[in-house]
Amino acid sequence: GENVEQHPSTLSVQEGDSAVIKCTYSDSASNYFPWYKQELGKRPQLIIDIRSNVGEKKDQRIAVTLNKTAKHFSLHITETQPEDSAVYFCAASFTASGTYKYIFGTGTRLKVLA
Amino acid sequence: NAGVTQTPKFRVLKTGQSMTLLCAQDMNHEYMYWYRQDPGMGLRLIHYSVGEGTTAKGEVPDGYNVSRLKKQNFLLGLESAAPSQTSVYFCASSYPTGGVNTEAFFGQGTRLTVV
Repeated sequence: GENVEQHPSTLSVQEGDSAVIKCTYSDSASNYFPWYKQELGKRPQLIIDIRSNVGEKKDQRIAVTLNKTAKHFSLHITETQPEDSAVYFCAASFTASGTYKYIFGTGTRLKVLA
Repeated sequence: NAGVTQTPKFRVLKTGQSMTLLCAQDMNHEYMYWYRQDPGMGLRLIHYSVGEGTTAKGEVPDGYNVSRLKKQNFLLGLESAAPSQTSVYFCASSYPTGGVNTEAFFGQGTRLTVV
């Protein structure tokens, strides 16, 4: 069935360093790849997304890259700050029989050490 | 504009009891989803709906039922609660357009404990 794998499950970085989180997806029909940030006790919120017709997208300190051939996409956070500490989820959305499923990875707990 | 609202926020059930979680959205979104979140397992799709009157199974549908009688509401039911259903439940909605899905907006979550 459809699957999104996410690595690593936990990541610790020093403040100011970069962080990279990677995801792979199984369904080649996937065409939308969002990333969500979830702070403790809060709801997930979108931080950046990319569509299948784009290879890279940046928004200030965060960027997402997509490799459709390899079916993987990555989140890059530069100049990390303590407030970046949270759980990050990747997701893939694809059409199945005309409907749009939304499948999430298992999450990465990012800790930014001051 | 409240976005996506879930009711209740917390609930404790005894094994075998039933309950319904309500999700309401005011963004006129066609798609609505129910997820459960467990430690180390991310957000797993229980059921989803592509429009009023339609529902479909997700990754982990067993033990749950859903209904979408009105476009703005999506109900998740537990007929006979089990301890394995202890989890945080999130509702979300989105509006696919032009052949592509869009941002999913989440409710604040419902923390359910089954004892």
